[in-house]
Amino acid sequence: QKEVEQNSGPLSVPEGAIASLNCTYSDRGSQSFFWYRQYSGKSPELIMSIYSNGDKEDGRFTAQLNKASQYVSLLIRDSQPSDSATYLCASYSGAGSYQLTFGKGTKLSVIP
Amino acid sequence: DAGVIQSPRHEVTEMGQEVTLRCKPISGHNSLFWYRQTMMRGLELLIYFNNNVPIDDSGMPEDRFSAKMPNASFSTLKIQPSEPRDSAVYFCASSFGAGNSYNEQFFGPGTRLTVL
Repeated sequence: QKEVEQNSGPLSVPEGAIASLNCTYSDRGSQSFFWYRQYSGKSPELIMSIYSNGDKEDGRFTAQLNKASQYVSLLIRDSQPSDSATYLCASYSGAGSYQLTFGKGTKLSVIP
Repeated sequence: DAGVIQSPRHEVTEMGQEVTLRCKPISGHNSLFWYRQTMMRGLELLIYFNNNVPIDDSGMPEDRFSAKMPNASFSTLKIQPSEPRDSAVYFCASSFGAGNSYNEQFFGPGTRLTVL
């Protein structure tokens, strides 16, 4: 069964620090990866997508992908209390896939 | 631009009643997904439509669940009869295109369903 695994947390970091969120996946055929942010009681919001090995930066967010290790991460620099949320990792499994497989999410708390 | 629109936002009903959830995808998107989220199971895909046609309904838990997409701008998810274990948040998501493993899916605000 294709799985996306995340540490459920909570992950607590002080304001201004770097938050590092990690995700592993079981399907070597996975080609694309997405990070969603979900505030409590709200819907998932897409914040980053990454398709190639290496880093992709967008503002304070950096997504990192290592397909050999089947590992994807999200770094949040200069963490703010407003970043406190659950972060969901998701991937499509293989070419032609339409089904996103989601991890259970990591809850991040940024302490002022 | 308007995002995915869902109604109602909250629904409280009694066991045995029919529940209908509604979704309007982002204009121009031709793929629509219904998900259910619970603490225990996380986000689960229930059904996927492409160009208004149901492609995969293998995630629909039981025959009590049905979904339709009569046109490109409207979809419904119906539960009849509802049971307490159906209590969850139901999300609708849409994307432009599907099946190329790169399509970004955008979620609606969800419907929080409580079945008493």
